[in-house]
Amino acid sequence: GDSVTQMEGPVTLSEEACLTINCTYTATGYPSLFWYVQYPGEGLQLLLKATKADDKGSNKGFEATYRKETTSFHLEKGSVQVSDSAVYFCARSPPGNQGGKLIFGQGTELSVKP
Amino acid sequence: DAEITQSPRHKITETGRQVTLACHQTWNHNNMFWYRQDLGHGLRLIHYSYGVQDTNKGEVSDGYSVSRSNTEDLPLTLESAASSQTSVYFCASSATGVDEQYFGPGTRLTVT
Repeated sequence: GDSVTQMEGPVTLSEEACLTINCTYTATGYPSLFWYVQYPGEGLQLLLKATKADDKGSNKGFEATYRKETTSFHLEKGSVQVSDSAVYFCARSPPGNQGGKLIFGQGTELSVKP
Repeated sequence: DAEITQSPRHKITETGRQVTLACHQTWNHNNMFWYRQDLGHGLRLIHYSYGVQDTNKGEVSDGYSVSRSNTEDLPLTLESAASSQTSVYFCASSATGVDEQYFGPGTRLTVT
């Protein structure tokens, strides 16, 4: 079935390091793609999204580009901060006949040390 | 501002008790969802609804039920709480099938 696969965590970085969290998805249909962030003790918040191939979503210094040819949507940030420590979830919209059920990856925990 | 709220935020209950978790959204969204989040399992879909009087089972629906009598609310009921249902529960809503979901703050449920 349709799925989203993320790189396993936890990922530990020093402040100001570069971040890449890999995400690949199954290519059924033409999905919208999302990155969510979950800070400790909170719900998931939408970080960025892209709705068609070659779109780049960006927010708070994070970016991700919708790559149809590689079915990927990797999350990147040039210089992470301690406040970026959180769990990051990649997700895709469902195939056309499955309504609004987003398909989530397992999540990647990021820890940024001072 | 529109929002999605959950109550209670924390709940401790005993095995066998019936428990209802509330979810209320003011986005006027048709789609609403309930997830549970456990270490090692990510987010798992329990039930979902595409509109008033519509409910559907997700991947882990056993022991849970929902009802949708209006657009704003989708309460989740645990018919007879079990220790395996100790978890953090999130409610979410979306406008359409391809839009992002907006999540509530979560309810931490402990079944003793």
